[in-house]
Amino acid sequence: AQSVTQPDIHITVSEGASLELRCNYSYGATPYLFWYVQSPGQGLQLLLKYFSGDTLVQGIKGFEAEFKRSQSSFNLRKPSVHWSDAAEYFCAVVTLSGGSYIPTFGRGTSLIVHP
Amino acid sequence: NAGVMQNPRHLVRRRGQEARLRCSPMKGHSHVYWYRQLPEEGLKFMVYLQKENIIDESGMPKERFSAEFPKEGPSILRIQQVVRGDSAAYFCASSPVQGVGFTDEQYFGPGTRLTVT
Repeated sequence: AQSVTQPDIHITVSEGASLELRCNYSYGATPYLFWYVQSPGQGLQLLLKYFSGDTLVQGIKGFEAEFKRSQSSFNLRKPSVHWSDAAEYFCAVVTLSGGSYIPTFGRGTSLIVHP
Repeated sequence: NAGVMQNPRHLVRRRGQEARLRCSPMKGHSHVYWYRQLPEEGLKFMVYLQKENIIDESGMPKERFSAEFPKEGPSILRIQQVVRGDSAAYFCASSPVQGVGFTDEQYFGPGTRLTVT
């Protein structure tokens, strides 16, 4: 069965600093990969997704992610963090299961931004 | 175009009562997914429905939980005889189609926070 690991439960960065959130997956083939952001009390919002092609994908709000097949990773990056980026970030893997495309989410990484 | 609507946003139930959570997908969306988020955890897939059909319920607990998406009206997640362990945030997501390659991302509602006392 597929799994998604986000090894960092919390990450604290200063405003303006760069950010990298880690995501590793376990799946036999190349999955479809997503990053979502969840602000307190809100639903999830899609940041970016990878299906195929260029392994560096650009998303909204200045985020990007790089798919590395050899490392089974899909890390999320941002060159300069803003205070409004403080939120919970979820990596998700979508795989074909029983004829349906079903997502598996990581447990999330909470981003704290210091002024 | 309104987003995915969920109500109620907060629901408090005593142990043994029934909880009904409603989800209205975005206009034109015929696919609905339900997820549960326990504290300090990610979302866990529960069930995937199309209009009048349950497509995949592999994530649903075998007892007390049921879901429907009727031809008219919202999708309903029903939890009978709730227990304290059912306390969680329940999210609904909708998508217009589920094509090959999962080319249509899911649009999430704001969630219903269920508290069982």
